Amino acid sequence: AQSVSQHNHHVILSEAASLELGCNYSYGGTVNLFWYVQYPGQHLQLLLKYFSGDPLVKGIKGFEAEFIKSKFSFNLRKPSVQWSDTAEYFCAVNMWTDKLIFGTGTRLQVFP
Amino acid sequence: SQTIHQWPATLVQPVGSPLSLECTVEGTSNPNLYWYRQAAGRGLQLLFYSVGIGQISSEVPQNLSASRPQDRQFILSSKKLLLSDSGFYLCAWSGGLAGGGETQYFGPGTRLLVL
Repeated sequence: AQSVSQHNHHVILSEAASLELGCNYSYGGTVNLFWYVQYPGQHLQLLLKYFSGDPLVKGIKGFEAEFIKSKFSFNLRKPSVQWSDTAEYFCAVNMWTDKLIFGTGTRLQVFP
Repeated sequence: SQTIHQWPATLVQPVGSPLSLECTVEGTSNPNLYWYRQAAGRGLQLLFYSVGIGQISSEVPQNLSASRPQDRQFILSSKKLLLSDSGFYLCAWSGGLAGGGETQYFGPGTRLLVL
């Protein structure tokens, strides 16, 4: 069965540190890839997505992710985090339908 | 613009009692609708999805059921709740284009505690 792995369960950083959250999926065909974020007390919302084209995708709030097909990865990055980036981050994938398969999430805490 | 509502926001129910959670979408027609359960450390698990009125697909065997009586209304139900039904339930919608490229938009969720 298809699955999504997020190996970083809890990440703690100081402001201005660089961030990279790992995401790997298990499916050999064409995929659509997403990163969602859930800020404390808010709805789950889309951060960025990849469907095709440039494998480096830019999202909101300075986030970006790179699709590396050979590694089945879609890691999320931000060069300099802020306290307001404290949230839970979910990687997700779908194949030929709209059904999303989510990873277990990564809780990011940023300290001033 | 499109909005998605869920209620109630929080619910505490005894074991064996019935359940009804409601989700409605505004500002779009014929959306795909989804119910997810979010458990701590386990991410989001898709429970049900619907591509139209009366059309429900179940993703995992469980104690819950779903119904779609109207185009923009999606209901999650149970006849008798179990302790293991506790969790955070999220409703989502998407535009339903073929090929899986649509973004899903999530509601605020319902936190259910079964005692």
